[in-house]
Amino acid sequence: DTGVSQDPRHKITKRGQNVTFRCDPISEHNRLYWYRQTLGQGPEFLTYFQNEAQLEKSRLLSDRFSAERPKGSFSTLEIQRTEQGDSAMYLCASSFRNEQFFGPGTRLTVL
Amino acid sequence: QQPVQSPQAVILREGEDAVINCSSSKALYSVHWYRQKHGEAPVFLMILLKGGEQKGHEKISASFNEKKQQSSLYLTASQLSYSGTYFCGTGGSNFGNEKLTFGTGTRLTIIP
Repeated sequence: DTGVSQDPRHKITKRGQNVTFRCDPISEHNRLYWYRQTLGQGPEFLTYFQNEAQLEKSRLLSDRFSAERPKGSFSTLEIQRTEQGDSAMYLCASSFRNEQFFGPGTRLTVL
Repeated sequence: QQPVQSPQAVILREGEDAVINCSSSKALYSVHWYRQKHGEAPVFLMILLKGGEQKGHEKISASFNEKKQQSSLYLTASQLSYSGTYFCGTGGSNFGNEKLTFGTGTRLTIIP
């Protein structure tokens, strides 16, 4: 399968714990995006990378959030000291030209 | 600022046509259309770049009016599989390949 993959698909954690999500883009896609989606809303942009460089971060991304793409391939999104408001679907997308293709997402539930 | 989509929801019988509109208060360089089914990731449908083009494949097409900062998605002879929530995502730079701002969504329900 050559689509975008994300791991884990579901994560349940207690408030205050740290979580890390992984995204593997479509091979040869140099751009990788992270979005967050809550129920009934469209995806909201968090951050994006071109190769290993993080080019933009949303103001939604507090200092508890950090993302990396160390070798320009897979990316990780870490949330420290999770809060109940962090509960959402975290979506990763990748692109080579203009079209962005989404992965299946990681659903985070913070108890 | 988030693009506004209309209608918010629509129910159609199989075989009927639908039009979904996306309107932005900011200059647009690209419009991306996605369909999302409940609990699944958004699925890419098509992209329209600055130039006022119209694109389509099979029974789904779209137009882009950059002067009016609007785009419309046309679904003809709808099928049950068209059910889902449709989002437009707008790009605000002429690079085309950057962050998208997604609209408010249109929930489409097709009934037999």
